[in-house]
Amino acid sequence: QSVLTQPPSASGTPGQRVTISCSGSSSNIGSNTVNWYQQLPGTAPKLLIHSNNQRPLGVPDRFSGSKSGTSASLAISGLQSEDEADYYCAAWDDSLIGPGFGGGTKLTVL
Amino acid sequence: EVQLVQSGTEVKKPGESLRISCKGSGYSFTNYWISWVRQMPGKGLEWMGRIDPSESQTNYSPSFQGHVTNSVDKSISTAYLQWSSLKASDTAIYYCARGYQYCTTTNCYYYFDYWGQGTLVTVSS
Repeated sequence: QSVLTQPPSASGTPGQRVTISCSGSSSNIGSNTVNWYQQLPGTAPKLLIHSNNQRPLGVPDRFSGSKSGTSASLAISGLQSEDEADYYCAAWDDSLIGPGFGGGTKLTVL
Repeated sequence: EVQLVQSGTEVKKPGESLRISCKGSGYSFTNYWISWVRQMPGKGLEWMGRIDPSESQTNYSPSFQGHVTNSVDKSISTAYLQWSSLKASDTAIYYCARGYQYCTTTNCYYYFDYWGQGTLVTVSS
């Protein structure tokens, strides 16, 4: 059972906007910042969004993050076929004394 | 360029021991904690534990405490993940990741900014 809760799947057509939710608790999202990782098929995870809504250099501005209370979301606008991947949210968990991950959301571009 | 390069694929039998490695380059190795993350076949990411390369301080997820050991050789900028007795359920891809952490007066921020390429460990009789 994952520390954070994500929907197992999401889908959209090219050009659409999709959002992926991430739910936690007061010991993680409620008191710490949220990060998002993208894992393309057969590759290592890559940092996509950090500190709730900050994009590392090189990440397109089509990707955005937000947080409210004990939940967070990742939005992808102008969906492209290369966005098909698994997306994981993560946040430091004060009970775990380490980062907790969501179970991952598999995004399919139809 | 920051890089974390992991050791190669391993095939082991239950009960055997194993140590896999993660070599950092392109940055000051002792300035950032190294974490290990497990991904079982077809499953999600699980944080296992982390080590501070400067002092070898560790902390582990309760799910992995006592089953794995983190260590480091800072003279060669390399972190290790070790098992003394493997089980079939240890079959997975293991990633090392650099933890970036900073605190302001109001918040602390922690995320993995660089990842290794992963090491596939297969445990089978």
